[in-house]
Amino acid sequence: SAVISQKPSRDICQRGTSLTIQCQVDSQVTMMFWYRQQPGQSLTLIATANQGSEATYESGFVIDKFPISRPNLTFSTLTVSNMSPEDSSIYLCSVTPLLRSGGADTQYFGPGTRLTVL
Amino acid sequence: SQKIEQNSEALNIQEGKTATLTCNYTNYSPAYLQWYRQDPGRGPVFLLLIRENEKEKRKERLKVTFDTTLKQSLFHITASQPADSATYLCAPYNDYKLSFGAGTTVTVRA
Repeated sequence: SAVISQKPSRDICQRGTSLTIQCQVDSQVTMMFWYRQQPGQSLTLIATANQGSEATYESGFVIDKFPISRPNLTFSTLTVSNMSPEDSSIYLCSVTPLLRSGGADTQYFGPGTRLTVL
Repeated sequence: SQKIEQNSEALNIQEGKTATLTCNYTNYSPAYLQWYRQDPGRGPVFLLLIRENEKEKRKERLKVTFDTTLKQSLFHITASQPADSATYLCAPYNDYKLSFGAGTTVTVRA
């Protein structure tokens, strides 16, 4: 398993500003994922971050808006840039451990960052 | 387009009864499917994984079935307890990633 912490846990920001969310894992992991979850909605994958390479973004998400860093096997950041009220959501970091059970990609999730944009 | 549909309404059941949750998917060919539990204000927690060649999987009071012909998975909580109250998410694995349904909220009354 993996224990994941995220900072900040919540924030209230003004439109037009940027916020960087940190994700720290207590063990080395292969894949790191960033999701967005709006109230009552499913998790939507923003991007997959692999160490040493560019993040892979899902349809509808672009690097200029959501730049991601992955400097090592235990840490990643997601920046929400030039924020608008539509970016208000919970942002979740998720990982797949290096040692996978039966070869399947079970994912472990952080507690989330609750972002409100005014 | 790809779609994952879970019980649209919340499930309210009496303690001790069995809760059955449905997950139907469209335009996916998942190698396996996972179920997660999410409590308010927390990230999802992995519960069970079932592969495409498995019909049924059990873990304690939880049981999952997987029918690739019907494109459906059923998730059962037997002998339910108030502590089982949460939102349960279905997640088929396809194209090297998990996709999540919106979840079904289960409330178990004492």
